[in-house]
Amino acid sequence: AQSVSQHNHHVILSEAASLELGCNYSYGGTVNLFWYVQYPGQHLQLLLKYFSGDPLVKGIKGFEAEFIKSKFSFNLRKPSVQWSDTAEYFCAVNAVGNNRLAFGKGNQVVVIP
Amino acid sequence: GAVVSQHPSWVICKSGTSVKIECRSLDFQATTMFWYRQFPKQSLMLMATSNEGSKATYEQGVEKDKFLINHASLTLSTLTVTSAHPEDSSFYICSANDRLVEGPQHFGDGTRLSIL
Repeated sequence: AQSVSQHNHHVILSEAASLELGCNYSYGGTVNLFWYVQYPGQHLQLLLKYFSGDPLVKGIKGFEAEFIKSKFSFNLRKPSVQWSDTAEYFCAVNAVGNNRLAFGKGNQVVVIP
Repeated sequence: GAVVSQHPSWVICKSGTSVKIECRSLDFQATTMFWYRQFPKQSLMLMATSNEGSKATYEQGVEKDKFLINHASLTLSTLTVTSAHPEDSSFYICSANDRLVEGPQHFGDGTRLSIL
């Protein structure tokens, strides 16, 4: 079964700073990769996904993530964060052909105005 | 976009009662829905996969008789926590895949269950 690791559970940064959240997974086969965001009091929303093709994926709200197969990583980035990016971010993985998602523990991101 | 509705959003009940949580896909059909449990400051843990018209598939360590799942139609799955106890207090979240469109899971708003 696949597992997902996210480090630095709490991240605090100022507006306009750059953000990078790490995500590593363990699974030997082909995977689909996702980043979800959960704003305070709201449900999980999809930020971006990778199924195949260009390993650099662009999502909503200026986020992007890069799939590096050799490192089993799918790190999330945003060059310049805003106060409204304060949320919890979850990386998730599923094996191709199996819809069961494995989630990381999440990163609580707080952006200070 | 695809919407998943979960009801109720918050429930408080006495120990020993059973609680039913509904998960509906509002504008798409889902042959598969998923039930997760989330503890404070922790990740979502998959409890079971709900399959329309057949038995649910439970993850290791999840009691089938404790967490009853019914997926009677392509738009509705229910999770019943039977004889709930305080340790069952948690945040329960469902998600669903559109059966016609390959893509990510769509999540409900979650149900906060508090057992006194």
